[in-house]
Amino acid sequence: NAGVTQTPKFQVLKTGQSMTLQCAQDMNHEYMSWYRQDPGMGLRLIHYSVGAGITDQGEVPNGYNVSRSTTEDFPLRLLSAAPSQTSVYFCASSHPPNLEQYFGPGTRLTVT
Amino acid sequence: SQQGEEDPQALSIQEGENATMNCSYKTSINNLQWYRQNSGRGLVHLILIRSNEREKHSGRLRVTLDTSKKSSSLLITASRAADTASYFCATDSGAGSYQLTFGKGTKLSVIP
Repeated sequence: NAGVTQTPKFQVLKTGQSMTLQCAQDMNHEYMSWYRQDPGMGLRLIHYSVGAGITDQGEVPNGYNVSRSTTEDFPLRLLSAAPSQTSVYFCASSHPPNLEQYFGPGTRLTVT
Repeated sequence: SQQGEEDPQALSIQEGENATMNCSYKTSINNLQWYRQNSGRGLVHLILIRSNEREKHSGRLRVTLDTSKKSSSLLITASRAADTASYFCATDSGAGSYQLTFGKGTKLSVIP
C-alpha cells in the first residue's frame, strides 16, 4: 500500500495562476480532507469529502475548489492563486470519518 | 476557530526525562486524538481516546482526558532524541461532525 500520496511536492506560482494539487489514497477510505498548515497556526481544514460525489466546506474554503469523482482521488484546485495561499498543504484520509487520519507527505506551495 | 489548544508552545528536555503536553478544547467531543509531526513531514497518528475513557496507554505514551475540564494531556515517558517533533491534539465537534480541528501544536526538543 502506498497510503496517501500527494503531487507535486513543491510548487511556485505567480499571483493569478491556477493549479491543481493531487491527492490519492489506496486504502478504500470514504473520508478525505485537505488542510493547510501555516507557521504558528496549526492545521486548518479547507474542504472535506465523505464519499464519491459528496464534498463540503471546512474552516477556510475561500479560493479553493474540490471534487470527488472516485473514492481514490480528491484534487484541490486553486482558482486564482494569491500570496495568502502560500502554505503547506496536506491531504488526509480515514474510515470512519473521525477516527485515525492518514496524512500525505504534503505539498509546499509558494505564491509570488 | 481553534477547538484544541496545546500548552506549552515549546518544550525542551533532556533525553530520559518525561515530557507532558496539554490540550484544552471548547465544545463537547466524541473523541480526542494526538498526532506527531516530524519536521517537513506529514502528521502521524499516535493515540485516540474516546469521551467515555479517562486514560489510555500505548507504549511510552499515556493520554488522559478530563471532559469536565475539557482538557487532555499527553505524557511521553523516558524520552529519546527521536521523539523530537511537534505534537498536535485534534478533536471532533460531537455527534454528526465530520470535521476534525487541530490545535497549534507543542514543539518538543529532546536533547541527547
